[in-house]
Amino acid sequence: GQQVMQIPQYQHVQEGEDFTTYCNSSTTLSNIQWYKQRPGGHPVFLIQLVKSGEVKKQKRLTFQFGEAKKNSSLHITATQTTDVGTYFCAGPAGGGSQGNLIFGKGTKLSVKP
Amino acid sequence: EPEVTQTPSHQVTQMGQEVILRCVPISNHLYFYWYRQILGQKVEFLVSFYNNEISEKSEIFDDQFSVERPDGSNFTLKIRSTKLEDSAMYFCASRGSSYNEQFFGPGTRLTVL
Repeated sequence: GQQVMQIPQYQHVQEGEDFTTYCNSSTTLSNIQWYKQRPGGHPVFLIQLVKSGEVKKQKRLTFQFGEAKKNSSLHITATQTTDVGTYFCAGPAGGGSQGNLIFGKGTKLSVKP
Repeated sequence: EPEVTQTPSHQVTQMGQEVILRCVPISNHLYFYWYRQILGQKVEFLVSFYNNEISEKSEIFDDQFSVERPDGSNFTLKIRSTKLEDSAMYFCASRGSSYNEQFFGPGTRLTVL
């Protein structure tokens, strides 16, 4: 069945270092969404990418959607301790029109001050 | 800012017992979802609900599960006879009609003993 894969599973960085997580889908996606889950919290929507090759920025976060609409990345520049959490990519389940999402396993980011 | 609420925050039950998890989605949203997250793992789709009926469900959502929107505001997930492997965090989510962003509730942690 449809799968969304993410690497790495864990990333430990020193505050100020950059961080990147990569997401790959087994199928072409109509859109890809990114969510952040703080420890003990719930997923919080960050952004949605729709167009092939799209790049969006939110302050220190840069999101990219691949040309084939099967892969995506999230890059954080100069991490801060507030960036700690698990970052999930998610794509709509194939053929579904109701928006149910297939999530990747997430990348857990820890930031050492 | 409107938010999805869930009750209870933590539910402990004996194996074989029925549980009902409750959610109040954002009031003008039309699409409702239940997801679950086993500790340390990815978020998994269970079921989507639109126009007072189930629109899609995953393999996890077997005959032991049911959903209901009894009064136009609450959205409930019932597990008829809980199993040990049902222990997880259950998230409710909702979204409006014109965008894909899903708003997640804080979750209910279900512990089956």
